[in-house]
Amino acid sequence: SQQGEEDPQALSIQEGENATMNCSYKTSINNLQWYRQNSGRGLVHLILIRSNEREKHSGRLRVTLDTSKKSSSLLITASRAADTASYFCATDFQGAQKLVFGQGTRLTINP
Amino acid sequence: NAGVTQTPKFQVLKTGQSMTLQCAQDMNHEYMSWYRQDPGMGLRLIHYSVGAGITDQGEVPNGYNVSRSTTEDFPLRLLSAAPSQTSVYFCASSYSILAGGADTQYFGPGTRLTVL
Repeated sequence: SQQGEEDPQALSIQEGENATMNCSYKTSINNLQWYRQNSGRGLVHLILIRSNEREKHSGRLRVTLDTSKKSSSLLITASRAADTASYFCATDFQGAQKLVFGQGTRLTINP
Repeated sequence: NAGVTQTPKFQVLKTGQSMTLQCAQDMNHEYMSWYRQDPGMGLRLIHYSVGAGITDQGEVPNGYNVSRSTTEDFPLRLLSAAPSQTSVYFCASSYSILAGGADTQYFGPGTRLTVL
């Protein structure tokens, strides 16, 4: 089964609002990453957060990690139409040499 | 740098045919992997490699073979295509997954495969 599960599966908001997506996982991890996928394209890396980090920022993106709850969140502030995409979390769990993706959150920004 | 390249971009096969999806990277990455993505779904790991000569199975390896004879190339072979293998296939690479966990993955543009 997949390691990461995103919530919600779909999210629709107005331009300028903030968007929050969540990711939960099952076993201890080394790192957690977030990726964006525009329709029909390959995935693009957004942020990597290590298991000993609690929060990370990159421009309008903020990622938090709570290892005690085995969960992460991605916050996109001041959303733009160009943020419309699917967002995936990916985890590499300790003891395994592979990266596993969740099913993603489909984000739609309405003008 | 070209990054991660995949060929072909599109492919239509008949049931029972075999083919090889090509993946190459020019970033000297040790770790390479293959994923499939079905409509509305996330990516499922098929096979991965932590270096030349070393491969291992992911979540959905049945019906696929891989080899890694060079650092640059990681082809995926469909042995006898089935309609259930209709999907978009992505190849990815990164520096290493051994020390400190997985690094940033660089993805190819994907191959859209239809099996009739």
